[in-house]
Amino acid sequence: GDSVIQMQGQVTLSENDFLFINCTYSTTGYPTLFWYVQYSGEGPQLLLQVTTANNKGSSRGFEATYDKGTTSFHLQKTSVQEIDSAVYYCAMLMDSNYQLIWGSGTKLIIKP
Amino acid sequence: DMKVTQMPRYLIKRMGENVLLECGQDMSHETMYWYRQDPGLGLQLIYISYDVDSNSEGDIPKGYRVSRKKREHFSLILDSAKTNQTSVYFCASNYRGRAETLYFGSGTRLTVL
Repeated sequence: GDSVIQMQGQVTLSENDFLFINCTYSTTGYPTLFWYVQYSGEGPQLLLQVTTANNKGSSRGFEATYDKGTTSFHLQKTSVQEIDSAVYYCAMLMDSNYQLIWGSGTKLIIKP
Repeated sequence: DMKVTQMPRYLIKRMGENVLLECGQDMSHETMYWYRQDPGLGLQLIYISYDVDSNSEGDIPKGYRVSRKKREHFSLILDSAKTNQTSVYFCASNYRGRAETLYFGSGTRLTVL
């Protein structure tokens, strides 16, 4: 069945470190891929949408890449700040039923 | 103002009591969702509603039911709550098929004692 795997449950970095989060997906359809961010005490909100193979999306200093060959997509930021502390979810929108398949989330902790 | 509003924010109930969680949105979105969020499990879909009185089970519907009588309101009901239903519940809405329009509420933290 359709699935999204997000292996990194937690990532701890210092300010100005490089962030890289990876997700892999499995589907027979034509997915649209997203990254959502959830700050403490809030619901998730859209961070980035990536729709085209090998195309990058960017927002708030974050960049997303998508590799159709390896069925993976990545979120990266060159220099994280304390305000980036949050949980990051990858998600895949199925074109068959318009439902989102979610990764399990990566908690980003920034050490001051 | 694009908003999904959940009430209440915090709720404590005893096992066996009935629970009503309410959600409203002001964007005329056809599709609404109820999720629960538990540590390490991410977001699990309980129910999805495609419009008024058009509801479908998600991945974990057991122990829950929903009601959608108006497009802007979607309720989650727990008949005889159980301790394993302690969780944070999120409501969300979007235009069908357009995940980029997905908005979440701030969640309801439910504790069942």
